[in-house]
Amino acid sequence: GENVEQHPSTLSVQEGDSAVIKCTYSDSASNYFPWYKQELGKRPQLIIDIRSNVGEKKDQRIAVTLNKTAKHFSLHITETQPEDSAVYFCAAQPGTASKLTFGTGTRLQVTL
Amino acid sequence: EAQVTQNPRYLITVTGKKLTVTCSQNMNHEYMSWYRQDPGLGLRQIYYSMNVEVTDKGDVPEGYKVSRKEKRNFPLILESPSPNQTSLYFCASSAARARTEAFFGQGTRLTVV
Repeated sequence: GENVEQHPSTLSVQEGDSAVIKCTYSDSASNYFPWYKQELGKRPQLIIDIRSNVGEKKDQRIAVTLNKTAKHFSLHITETQPEDSAVYFCAAQPGTASKLTFGTGTRLQVTL
Repeated sequence: EAQVTQNPRYLITVTGKKLTVTCSQNMNHEYMSWYRQDPGLGLRQIYYSMNVEVTDKGDVPEGYKVSRKEKRNFPLILESPSPNQTSLYFCASSAARARTEAFFGQGTRLTVV
């Protein structure tokens, strides 16, 4: 089955700096890679996703990149703000099914 | 409003006392699943269901049961809970086709003493 590794497990940045979270996957059949944000005490919510026919996708201050050859994808957050503090999960999904395999999560803390 | 609703939000129980966590969605989603979230381990899938009366094991199914008698409901059953099932549980639903967003419930924090 699919295995998703996520690094780092914790990340502390100063407000205004950039943050990068990296994930690798094992199953070459995976072709959908969403990112979920979980604020303290809340449920995970989708913030951005990327499909395997796209190398990069941006939405305001967040962007995702995908390298299919190397089987890794990354989340980039620019100009971080305190409200970006949360746990971020990457996930991978094969093209023909609904099952999501999640990474272990990254706790991002944005300090003033 | 599109939502996934879990109950209860918090539960403290004793070892061996059967319990059920309910999950209901109003989006007519075919696919529903249960996850447990533990520190350092992320979200691990317990069971999933592709549609009514179709369920299958996820990555960590031991000690759990599920049923899918109606499309909107997907309860999680712990027949004989043990302390190692103390965790934060999430139900999620999505449309059956690939590359669609998963919607999560509010979570159930279960403590087994």
